[in-house]
Amino acid sequence: AQSVTQLDSQVPVFEEAPVELRCNYSSSVSVYLFWYVQYPNQGLQLLLKYLSGSTLVESINGFEAEFNKSQTSFHLRKPSVHISDTAEYFCAVSETSGTYKYIFGTGTRLKVLA
Amino acid sequence: DGGITQSPKYLFRKEGQNVTLSCEQNLNHDAMYWYRQDPGQGLRLIYYSQIVNDFQKGDIAEGYSVSREKKESFPLTVTSAQKNPTAFYLCASSEQGALGTGELFFGEGSRLTVL
Repeated sequence: AQSVTQLDSQVPVFEEAPVELRCNYSSSVSVYLFWYVQYPNQGLQLLLKYLSGSTLVESINGFEAEFNKSQTSFHLRKPSVHISDTAEYFCAVSETSGTYKYIFGTGTRLKVLA
Repeated sequence: DGGITQSPKYLFRKEGQNVTLSCEQNLNHDAMYWYRQDPGQGLRLIYYSQIVNDFQKGDIAEGYSVSREKKESFPLTVTSAQKNPTAFYLCASSEQGALGTGELFFGEGSRLTVL
């Protein structure tokens, strides 16, 4: 069975400061990894994903995440946050064998302060 | 524009009533999903469907029912048997050619409140 742990339920950070949102997973099989972002009262949008290849993946709006197989982590980072980054962020995994099921973490609420 | 449409966005219902949430997609995706979101609990899978006329229970299917008569439609019925139905419901779809490597595309959600 798979599980995803996001230890930080809320992360307050000042504008232009760096931020790291942590994600650890547990799985007995190989997985694909995803970060989604959710703005209030909206659905989730894909931020970035790791399928294979380079362990560092980037999004178009400055976020990046690094897949660390030995530590089973996929932490999300941004060197300088903006007020508009305030949202809830979800880490998710899916098995590479294609079971059509995605497991989500409980989410981290990022609040960027002016 | 391609996407997923959920309706209604807000819904109120009395205890003991069934209610159906609509989900329509024009992305030509084979797979569709229903998730329930509660504060602090993330997303939990209710039902999913890989292909028309076929669907499987997720982790919290009790008190819910679905149908998949058309590729583009995957309605969810919240029955009176669901003990705590007040929640935010999200519908999603994905391509199946990549067998789970593809992203999930989400609708805007439906917020159900039981009075």
